Amino acid sequence: GAVVSQHPSRVICKSGTSVKIECRSLDFQATTMFWYRQFPKQSLMLMATSNEGSKATYEQGVEKDKFLINHASLTLSTLTVTSAHPEDSSFYICSARDGASGRYEQYFGPGTRLTVT
Amino acid sequence: KQEVTQIPAALSVPEGENLVLNCSFTDSAIYNLQWFRQDPGKGLTSLLLIQSSQREQTSGRLNASLDKSSGRSTLYIAASQPGDSATYLCAVKEAGTALIFGKGTTLSVSS
Repeated sequence: GAVVSQHPSRVICKSGTSVKIECRSLDFQATTMFWYRQFPKQSLMLMATSNEGSKATYEQGVEKDKFLINHASLTLSTLTVTSAHPEDSSFYICSARDGASGRYEQYFGPGTRLTVT
Repeated sequence: KQEVTQIPAALSVPEGENLVLNCSFTDSAIYNLQWFRQDPGKGLTSLLLIQSSQREQTSGRLNASLDKSSGRSTLYIAASQPGDSATYLCAVKEAGTALIFGKGTTLSVSS
């Protein structure tokens, strides 16, 4: 149980275009979802936290107008990278928390490799 | 602000050795601590989760300990194998927040 999926796993886009990444909790309801970014040989950096039905909370330094997060249902959150540039190339990982379990454990998706050319 | 540090950054050992990875955190008021494994270009695999009230957790050849008061955790890997080669990440959770990660220890086990 507690499976989180991400789609797509890899995406290459041209500079200036927008890319949408989906994150789904497959067998539990995720009241909270998190988006992380990981640059090569670096650790995961939290970008934003989203609660179902409300606006996302962004970490300092993360542009909310560039990284649009929508958490419209208890099983789906999307991250849209708008007007992507090469410096946005990174590994994006989503995480979902199963608050019903009482352990507040975060489950992670397999990640999406974004390359902006 | 919580900071998580992992030492060493990289480690190379021959197959069969027992080894210890270290994790320290600056604020001891954590809810839980989790160890993950990440293979190159892949996502995270959860290895062990220790609640703040616990002192250790074991899974197979892995044992993780937690000393919350001193802000330390260790991951012990017994009888290392080449398949254990990966980056190991430590992360802590405070109440109401997301997991905060260390930079990881990259382990290489040679046969």
